Amino acid sequence: KAGVTQTPRYLIKTRGQQVTLSCSPISGHRSVSWYQQTPGQGLQFLFEYFSETQRNKGNFPGRFSGRQFSNSRSEMNVSTLELGDSALYLCASSRLTGTSGTDTQYFGPGTRLTVL
Amino acid sequence: DQQVKQNSPSLSVQEGRISILNCDYTNSMFDYFLWYKKYPAEGPTFLISISSIKDKNEDGRFTVFLNKSAKHLSLHIVPSQPGDSAVYFCAASAFSGNQFYFGTGTSLTVIP
Repeated sequence: KAGVTQTPRYLIKTRGQQVTLSCSPISGHRSVSWYQQTPGQGLQFLFEYFSETQRNKGNFPGRFSGRQFSNSRSEMNVSTLELGDSALYLCASSRLTGTSGTDTQYFGPGTRLTVL
Repeated sequence: DQQVKQNSPSLSVQEGRISILNCDYTNSMFDYFLWYKKYPAEGPTFLISISSIKDKNEDGRFTVFLNKSAKHLSLHIVPSQPGDSAVYFCAASAFSGNQFYFGTGTSLTVIP
């Protein structure tokens, strides 16, 4: 079974631009979560989608948004990029079957975003 | 507010010996815990999990121990191998929701 895939793997943008990152979960997984990893900060939770609905949201500004499609693929968007948005953005999927509960998350390779 | 803490940023161990990585949490609602291994420029790889109904879970060379009263978990790797050199993250979630809180990671170096 194919793992979680993320595109693109690397991205360079300038301040003020916007960016869209894509994530395809493991087949059959309906929950997709996004994380930001910066040096020394570990993984910071951005949001989680389940069945096209945002179920959980972390403490990030409204410039960070996401969505999930009917095939469980997910995108996240960052508008008005700032230098501090440079990070590794990770997507994870889990095979939750209900609207509540928790399950192991499997990560993709990440998208390395550099903001100049 | 860091709800999951890994207080040792790095750890060095000789090959063949035991590696013990520690993790503390503050939220008593957490009841599901994961350990991940991460190499540079890759996503974290799931290693082992434990739920709060257990105090120990084993998978090959990896064993996770959970002490709920102390809000502490640890990952034991026996025997340690050079290929185990990576950053290890612990993560915690409350069963009611699929939001995981991660520690800042411990960089393990296994010396041949």
